Amino acid sequence: GNSVTQMEGPVTLSEEAFLTINCTYTATGYPSLFWYVQYPGEGLQLLLKATKADDKGSNKGFEATYRKETTSFHLEKGSVQVSDSAVYFCARGEGAGSYQLTFGKGTKLSVIP
Amino acid sequence: GAVVSQHPSWVICKSGTSVKIECRSLDFQATTMFWYRQFPKQSLMLMATSNEGSKATYEQGVEKDKFLINHASLTLSTLTVTSAHPEDSSFYICSLQLAGGKDTQYFGPGTRLTVL
Repeated sequence: GNSVTQMEGPVTLSEEAFLTINCTYTATGYPSLFWYVQYPGEGLQLLLKATKADDKGSNKGFEATYRKETTSFHLEKGSVQVSDSAVYFCARGEGAGSYQLTFGKGTKLSVIP
Repeated sequence: GAVVSQHPSWVICKSGTSVKIECRSLDFQATTMFWYRQFPKQSLMLMATSNEGSKATYEQGVEKDKFLINHASLTLSTLTVTSAHPEDSSFYICSLQLAGGKDTQYFGPGTRLTVL
């Protein structure tokens, strides 16, 4: 079946460090790919998405490129801030009508001053 | 985007009792609502898809008689965990899809259920 695998956490970085969170997906169908972020005490929020191969999603300094050849959608940010501390979920989505999301396990990021 | 609330945010109950969790869309009408469950250090697992006015569609392995879903209006869906047992302790999260919303889901903050 469809699945998403993302790197295990937690990840702890100093402020202004470079961030990469790896994500790979099973190569079935033509999914859209997403990164969701969950701040403490809040619901998941869409961070960015890409709907087809070679698309790059970007938001708030984060970016990820849909790589079909490596079935990857790695999340990157050049300089993290303390406010980026959260849990990040990679997901694939498909379906017409009711749209189905399949999530990775989430990666907790802590950024220290 | 849409604002989604869940109530309660956490609940502790005795084994054998039933617990109802509400999911509300505060500012938009949702044609479809989803219920997820998340065990510690695990991914969100889709339990069921709920369309307003029709029966919910349950994922394989999810007992429909144990997890009752009522999507009574375009702004409210409820999940009732019947005869809860300790193994039902988990984090339950709802999300909604707006009419014409295509691939975007808006998530509630989740409900932590602990069954003693």
